Amino acid sequence: KAGVTQTPRYLIKTRGQQVTLSCSPISGHRSVSWYQQTPGQGLQFLFEYFSETQRNKGNFPGRFSGRQFSNSRSEMNVSTLELGDSALYLCASSSQGPSYNEQFFGPGTRLTVL
Amino acid sequence: SQQGEEDPQALSIQEGENATMNCSYKTSINNLQWYRQNSGRGLVHLILIRSNEREKHSGRLRVTLDTSKKSSSLLITASRAADTASYFCATTSNSGNTPLVFGKGTRLSVIA
Repeated sequence: KAGVTQTPRYLIKTRGQQVTLSCSPISGHRSVSWYQQTPGQGLQFLFEYFSETQRNKGNFPGRFSGRQFSNSRSEMNVSTLELGDSALYLCASSSQGPSYNEQFFGPGTRLTVL
Repeated sequence: SQQGEEDPQALSIQEGENATMNCSYKTSINNLQWYRQNSGRGLVHLILIRSNEREKHSGRLRVTLDTSKKSSSLLITASRAADTASYFCATTSNSGNTPLVFGKGTRLSVIA
């Protein structure tokens, strides 16, 4: 089975712009979660989607949004980028969600905001 | 906010030695998971231990869970240079379907 893929792998944006990141889960997985990783805050949960519905949401401002498509692929969008949004964004998939089974992580998208 | 706190923050050992990392958490959990991350890449799942389990093994890995002390430990035996990585514990709460909450990790360096 192919692993979790994320595109793009690297991204450079300027303040005020918006960005869309994409995640393709392992085939058959219906749960996709997104995390932000920074040196200062560590790994922080953004949101989880399961069968196209947002099931959980972390404590991030409304500039961060996401969605999941019928094929379980997921996108997250960050609008009005700030310097502090520079981070590694990781997505993870599983068949039922983190409360039930292990998460399979993609390689991440490294976002740099200038 | 982080639920788990790993200890130590950094650990340096010689190849062949055992490495022990500890994780403490604050609230009741459904399960606790350990992950490894190499140099800012994606995380790799190591072991999942459920709240009603006390110990699990996987190859050179041994994980224990003490729910009365709200703590877990990860033991890597006969370490190798390739084990050099950051190790994170993550928990899910026991109140329904909840996301993983990660600690800040232990940075392990295995010197050949």
